[in-house]
Amino acid sequence: GDSVTQMEGPVTLSEEAFLTINCTYTATGYPSLFWYVQYPGEGLQLLLKATKADDKGSNKGFEATYRKETTSFHLEKGSVQVSDSAVYFCALSVTAGGTSYGKLTFGQGTILTVHP
Amino acid sequence: DSGVTQTPKHLITATGQRVTLRCSPRSGDLSVYWYQQSLDQGLQFLIQYYNGEERAKGNILERFSAQQFPDLHSELNLSSLELGDSALYFCASSVEGWDTDTQYFGPGTRLTVL
Repeated sequence: GDSVTQMEGPVTLSEEAFLTINCTYTATGYPSLFWYVQYPGEGLQLLLKATKADDKGSNKGFEATYRKETTSFHLEKGSVQVSDSAVYFCALSVTAGGTSYGKLTFGQGTILTVHP
Repeated sequence: DSGVTQTPKHLITATGQRVTLRCSPRSGDLSVYWYQQSLDQGLQFLIQYYNGEERAKGNILERFSAQQFPDLHSELNLSSLELGDSALYFCASSVEGWDTDTQYFGPGTRLTVL
């Protein structure tokens, strides 16, 4: 079945540090890939997405590139801020057998804490 | 604000009881999804509806059922509740329900079963 594996957390960084959160996937069809962010006490918000191989998603200084050869979609940001502290989820949805399924399969989430 | 509303925000009930969670999708979205978030299982897909019809089913227990009404709002019914059903339940919506769609999540309903 489809699955997503994220790097173990939590991740603790100082403000302005470089961030990488690793994400790899296994999919039976052709996945679209997503990063969602969850701030404390809130629902999930889309951070960025990529729907085909070699696409780069970007938003608010975050970037991730869809790498089909390594089945990866790592999240990066060059300089994190305290306000980036949240839980980050990598997720996929697939088209398989000619049918598009919108359901999301999530990784376990990575807690990011950024200190001033 | 995602435009997806969920009620109630919190629900506390006892084992064996039945509850109904309600979701209103963003204006114009035809597809609704339900997810369960718990500490041990993480975020799990339960069920998807598109324009009133069930489109996909995930790890949804037989004690749980859902439907999407003609006005596109959706309800998730949980019955014979057990302690392990305590979780955060999210509703999400998207325009068409394709794999490339962005899903917009509501703030969730926190269910506590005592």
